[in-house]
Formats: sequence, structure tokens, C-alpha cells
Amino acid sequence: NAGVMQNPRHLVRRRGQEARLRCSPVKGHSHVYWYRQLPEEGLKFMVYLQKENIIDESGMPKERFSAEFPKEGPSILRIQQVVRGDSAAYFCASSPRQGNYSGANVLTFGAGSRLTVL
Amino acid sequence: AQSVTQPDIHITVSEGASLELRCNYSYGATPYLFWYVQSPGQGLQLLLKYFSGDTLVQGIKGFEAEFKRSQSSFNLRKPSVHWSDAAEYFCAVGPFSGSARQLTFGSGTQLTVLP
Repeated sequence: NAGVMQNPRHLVRRRGQEARLRCSPVKGHSHVYWYRQLPEEGLKFMVYLQKENIIDESGMPKERFSAEFPKEGPSILRIQQVVRGDSAAYFCASSPRQGNYSGANVLTFGAGSRLTVL
Repeated sequence: AQSVTQPDIHITVSEGASLELRCNYSYGATPYLFWYVQSPGQGLQLLLKYFSGDTLVQGIKGFEAEFKRSQSSFNLRKPSVHWSDAAEYFCAVGPFSGSARQLTFGSGTQLTVLP
């Protein structure tokens, strides 16, 4: 029973390239969250998705960032035209239902994808 | 606005020694508090959580945390550290009736354990 799988674990991109980060939730989980951790900062919420729907993207930068969670396949966080300030660890978490606190102990995190922009 | 401060970026202790990791929070209402651990190459794992009741909370792996409202603190402790405890530890706070998207995390404390 695999946990949340994120890949790639490490990604290096040059400025202006695109970065795609993938997240496969726990089997049976239909809710996915993406968080970003900038250097020396805490994790910050970016976006919350259910299958085929973006529920809350209030933490997502308005430009260059997009996320999807298709009916089949992993959730994808896409960053276009990356800049050095996008260098960070990106964490995905999944839940079998809307992640309220009574369900906090079923919020499962992945190991993160570390993006480095040269 | 809610915030979490973990004042110690990096702590080093010897195996068998006691451990205390500090967490201070700022929150307008009654907070729901969490400690997570991230071992190398692994995802964040929930160690313990607190909302109400006994202010001393027991978690997994022998960890405990004490909520002190007067000090706005939720420090994590362990009486005797094992080498396998080397990891990064995150404190988080949020509203009880909210969702995971409303969690605010601290910047983490990296724990090194010396043999």
C-alpha cells in the first residue's frame, strides 16, 4: 500500500524552461494538496484539488503556475518559464476526504520534489 | 494572521540525551497544533496533535508536547533521543474547524544526533 509518490525527487531547470512535478496520491484518495517550501521558510499552501476540479487555488501565484488532477493519472503541478525564485521544495499531500482537522491524521504527505533553477 | 516560529534552525544532541524543540505560535482563536517529522527521503509524518484537554500530549515514537497558552508555545520533547530520530521537525497551527489548506507551518528544525 504505497504512500504519496512524488517525482521527480530532484529537478534542475534553467531560467525560462518549464517544470512539471507529479504527484500520485494514496490509492483511493481523491483529494490532493500542493504546498511549497521556500528556503528557510515553512510549507505554504498552494492549491487544493479533487478529481478533475480545482477547489481552492488561493495560494498559487497568479502567473506561470497551474495544477491539474485528471480523472486518470497523477496530479501535475506545472511551472512555466521558471525563475530563480521558484527554487523550492514542493510537497504534495492526499486525503480520502476533505481535509478538515478530524482527518488530519489521514493527510498523507509525499517526500517532496526539490526544484533548482539555474 | 496566524504564524508559527521555530527559533532553532538546527539542533545537535548526543544519542541518549534529552531533546526539546521549540515552537511558538500566533493565533487569534483556540489553535489546533501539530508536530510533523520528515525523515530523509520520506514524506512528512504526523507525530502528535493538540486541540483541547490535557495540555501534555503523547505522540508516536516516544515524543510528547506540552501546550502552554500563556507562552503561546507547543514545545516537542523526548527524554532519550535515538539515532533514528535524526530528521527535520515541523510545527503547524490552524483553526479547528478549518481544512488542511489553512495549516500554517513553521520553517522546521533540523535535528542531528551524534553517536
